[in-house]
Amino acid sequence: GQNIDQPTEMTATEGAIVQINCTYQTSGFNGLFWYQQHAGEAPTFLSYNVLDGLEEKGRFSSFLSRSKGYSYLLLKELQMKDSASYLCAVMDSNYQLIWGAGTKLIIKP
Amino acid sequence: GAVVSQHPSRVICKSGTSVKIECRSLDFQATTMFWYRQFPKKSLMLMATSNEGSKATYEQGVEKDKFLINHASLTLSTLTVTSAHPEDSSFYICSARERDNEQFFGPGTRLTVL
Repeated sequence: GQNIDQPTEMTATEGAIVQINCTYQTSGFNGLFWYQQHAGEAPTFLSYNVLDGLEEKGRFSSFLSRSKGYSYLLLKELQMKDSASYLCAVMDSNYQLIWGAGTKLIIKP
Repeated sequence: GAVVSQHPSRVICKSGTSVKIECRSLDFQATTMFWYRQFPKKSLMLMATSNEGSKATYEQGVEKDKFLINHASLTLSTLTVTSAHPEDSSFYICSARERDNEQFFGPGTRLTVL
């Protein structure tokens, strides 16, 4: 079956760095997405990786290793507003999105 | 975790026809369902929120007569794109939630209007 795993919850300190991991097993691969979702709001697109390596975008970076079925989202210089759920989703060979359950990130002062 | 399915997974239709997309919660009662539209590498745009047995609440700019939403049961919501045109081609994603619990997303439906 198809499966996406990510931690349920993580806690980090304001100003620090946090890495949210995502492992996947899917039927084919057409890219991996990271979204940020604040409570009661629609998910916001953060990144899209389809090739191996690190993509940096400001304070957020996303890494992909297709051979390992692994990605991570790295958040630097954490701010209180980064408290949210972070969703990992993989697009399979049929261009269907397989969603992780999301990681709730709690930022403490 | 809970499972949300969508049918069909992809559909190609001619301009002017109507297309119905189904969203089902398979192992929980979805008191609220959400319909999103996604453009390539973009955030999900919320189109409407529907509560079981009530009329859907549409976001600003979304035509309710064009995107008909029905949430007749606790496990099924449908989105009908009426008189579809090429600009309606997109990836439509639904999500479902039981009361105030977390949201679970469907795999999406790719609509192509010729």
